[in-house]
Amino acid sequence: SQKIEQNSEALNIQEGKTATLTCNYTNYSPAYLQWYRQDPGRGPVFLLLIRENEKEKRKERLKVTFDTTLKQSLFHITASQPADSATYLCALDEASGYSTLTFGKGTMLLVSP
Amino acid sequence: DVKVTQSSRYLVKRTGEKVFLECVQDMDHENMFWYRQDPGLGLRLIYFSYDVKMKEKGDIPEGYSVSREKKERFSLILESASTNQTSMYLCASCKMTGKSSGNTIYFGEGSWLTVV
Repeated sequence: SQKIEQNSEALNIQEGKTATLTCNYTNYSPAYLQWYRQDPGRGPVFLLLIRENEKEKRKERLKVTFDTTLKQSLFHITASQPADSATYLCALDEASGYSTLTFGKGTMLLVSP
Repeated sequence: DVKVTQSSRYLVKRTGEKVFLECVQDMDHENMFWYRQDPGLGLRLIYFSYDVKMKEKGDIPEGYSVSREKKERFSLILESASTNQTSMYLCASCKMTGKSSGNTIYFGEGSWLTVV
């Protein structure tokens, strides 16, 4: 069966450290993988998109890797800040043309001062 | 600034009532979506639309219908609300660029529906 797995337990880190979140998938062939941030009671907000032929993508303090052999994406936030505390969702796009994303359940990140 | 607006932020409805959730986007996007989000289950796609009057079922369409009479507006309809439809509903939109490009999805703020 198809599965997208993100750590269900919250990730607690100290301010200034690098946070690393994992997204593993089974029985999907995504052409793209996206990461979203969701604050409590709000809609998700797009952060980064990475294509299947890209190994790594960066945007400011954010870095995403995509390994189609391992079927895994890693999402890194360097020099983390308390304002980075949120739930982070990965989403797979199998390039149907309609952008019908399939989302993981998300991992909550808590950054302590 | 791009915007997806959901008309109702919080609703409380009775079992058996007909419920309309409205969504408007101002970005001239072709694609629009309705998801529901539940603790432990994540975001699940209910319906989507790629053009006016066009609709496609998502993963969990049972108990729901949709309407897209204008490009900017996508409505989710619960014909007879039930308690298991208590959830947060999220509308989203994106451009249609074909299979060659991944698209950024823009979400609304969500509508919290409680069915009692």
